[in-house]
Amino acid sequence: NAGVTQTPKFRILKIGQSMTLQCTQDMNHNYMYWYRQDPGMGLKLIYYSVGAGITDKGEVPNGYNVSRSTTEDFPLRLELAAPSQTSVYFCASSSDRPNQPQHFGDGTRLSIL
Amino acid sequence: DAKTTQPNSMESNEEEPVHLPCNHSTISGTDYIHWYRQLPSQGPEYVIHGLTSNVNNRMASLAIAEDRKSSTLILHRATLRDAAVYYCILRGRDDKIIFGKGTRLHILP
Repeated sequence: NAGVTQTPKFRILKIGQSMTLQCTQDMNHNYMYWYRQDPGMGLKLIYYSVGAGITDKGEVPNGYNVSRSTTEDFPLRLELAAPSQTSVYFCASSSDRPNQPQHFGDGTRLSIL
Repeated sequence: DAKTTQPNSMESNEEEPVHLPCNHSTISGTDYIHWYRQLPSQGPEYVIHGLTSNVNNRMASLAIAEDRKSSTLILHRATLRDAAVYYCILRGRDDKIIFGKGTRLHILP
C-alpha cells in the first residue's frame, strides 16, 4: 500500500535556487495538503487543493506555488529558496468527508544554505 | 488560527493511563474531532475521531464532553512507544485543516 509518497526525502539547496517537492497519492482522494514543520513546532498549512484544477492558500503561502493538474499529484514549488524555508515538508491527502482521516507522507527534509 | 487548545506538554509513567485534554469551545455542530500523533522524525498518523459519542479503537479512546466544547484522548496503558506529539483538530465544512502546536507527551520508565 503506497498511500502518500513524497520525493525527495532530503535536499540541500543554495539560497536563490528553485526546486519542486513532489507528492502523489494512490487513494483517489480529492483533497490534498502541504504543511511545513519547523524544528520543535507544529504543522503550518501552506496550500491545499479540493480537486484537480483547484488550489487555495493556507496559513503560510508566501514563497511557494502549487498546481493540481491530476487527482494523484500535488507538487509544491519553491521559486527563490530562502533560509527561512528550511523545514520539514509534509504532504497529506484525504477524502472530502469530514469523518475521514488525513493520510500523511513521510516528509521532505529541506535545508537552504 | 487553530480552533483547538492543548497543553504544551504532559508527563506520564509507563504502564499508567494517560488523559490528554483538548478544548474546542467554538466547535460547530458538523465538526468532527480528530486526533493524530507524530512520533519523532515521522509524519503525523491518525489515532481516532468522533462527533458526539465516545469512541474506542485499538489505539485509544476518545471521550467527548456533552456540550462538545472539549474532548480527552485516553491511552489506557502508556508505553515508551507512545511518547509523541498529539494533535487535536476539528474537521468540518471548512476545507482547511489547521493544526495547533499539540501536546508533547513524555513517558517516564
